[in-house]
This record gives sequence, structure tokens and C-alpha cells, in this order.
Amino acid sequence: EDKVVQSPLSLVVHEGDTVTLNCSYEVTNFRSLLWYKQEKKAPTFLFMLTSSGIEKKSGRLSSILDKKELFSILNITATQTGDSAIYLCALGSSNTGKLIFGQGTTLQVKP
Amino acid sequence: DGGITQSPKYLFRKEGQNVTLSCEQNLNHDAMYWYRQDPGQGLRLIYYSQIVNDFQKGDIAEGYSVSREKKESFPLTVTSAQKNPTAFYLCASSIGSYTDTQYFGPGTRLTVL
Repeated sequence: EDKVVQSPLSLVVHEGDTVTLNCSYEVTNFRSLLWYKQEKKAPTFLFMLTSSGIEKKSGRLSSILDKKELFSILNITATQTGDSAIYLCALGSSNTGKLIFGQGTTLQVKP
Repeated sequence: DGGITQSPKYLFRKEGQNVTLSCEQNLNHDAMYWYRQDPGQGLRLIYYSQIVNDFQKGDIAEGYSVSREKKESFPLTVTSAQKNPTAFYLCASSIGSYTDTQYFGPGTRLTVL
């Protein structure tokens, strides 16, 4: 059965800290891995990863995929209070036309 | 302005009542999805539709029903058979069913009184 597990489930840091969020998965036929940020309402798309070892970067956020060890990480450097949100990892399988979501990591950044 | 709209934002229902949540998109996307979000459980797929007049059950379809009569609309009915309907409901769409990037609406928070 395809599965996505995120860790930690929650995290509290102070502004300026660097955080690493983890997403491990099991899938029969991998197609993609996606990261979303949810700040209260609609999740917003951050990254889609399909190839191992290629870092995707957007400002202070970056993500990388390891298809051999079956995980991805999302890094946030120099965190700000505006980074406080739930970060969702989702898996796309070639077998189905749907995404499988992990439980999410709730990040709180304190001033 | 292209996007996905959901209404209402908040909905209160008495036990035993059916309610319908609206989802509309003007992105010209073929595929649409309904998710339920409970604390600590991420998003769980209720139903999805790859094309007009066709839809499939997701992982937790019991107690829910949908229709897809128009490309831009995918309403979800929460029936009285759903045992624990209080949750946050999110609608999403993607260009095609095998295009993974899904775009989400703002959600509807349903509370059963």
C-alpha cells in the first residue's frame, strides 16, 4: 500500500533558526513528490520533485528528493514568523490519478 | 482572476440533515477532488473526478456523494449517513488527472450541532 509519513509532527523554533522537515514514503510506482504550505485555509504549492539529487529552491526554502532511500526533506533557513504553517508532503503514483498526503508537520516560529 | 472558490466558508448542520458544499473553478481544469482534513491526519481523499459526468470514490467515500455535470463545478453532499462529518473540507483541481500539481480552494468548515 502506498504510504507517506512526515516527521516531526510538530516543531517550535525561534526566528532565525533553520529547520528541516522530513517526508518518507512507500510507493509501487513513483511519479512525483510534492510539498505544500497551509496557513489556515488553502494549501499552496511549494515544490514538485521527480528526480533524485536535484535541489529545488525558492528563496529561503529548498527541497531535495532521494529515490533510493525513499525520502524528501524541506529546508527553511532564517525562519520568520510568517513561515508558521502546516507543511504537507504528497506522493503521486503512476498507478492512480490521485495524490496521497502525509499527516503534515505543524511549524510554529516564535519571535 | 482564475481560481477555485468554495462556499460557504462555515456551515452548521443538525444531525440527520444532508448538506451540499459548493466548489467552482475557472481554471479550465479537467480533474477535481474533494478532501477532508481532521487535526493530525493530513488530507484524506473523498471523491475525485477526471472528466465531466464521471467520478470515482476515494479512500473515505462512505456517507458522501458528488456530481460532475459541468467541467467547472464539483459539489459534495454530506449525507446523514456520514457518522462524523465535522471537519474541514477542501476542494482541489488539476489540469488532468495524471498532472500532480493540484490547486486548492479556501475550504469549508462544517460543524454538526
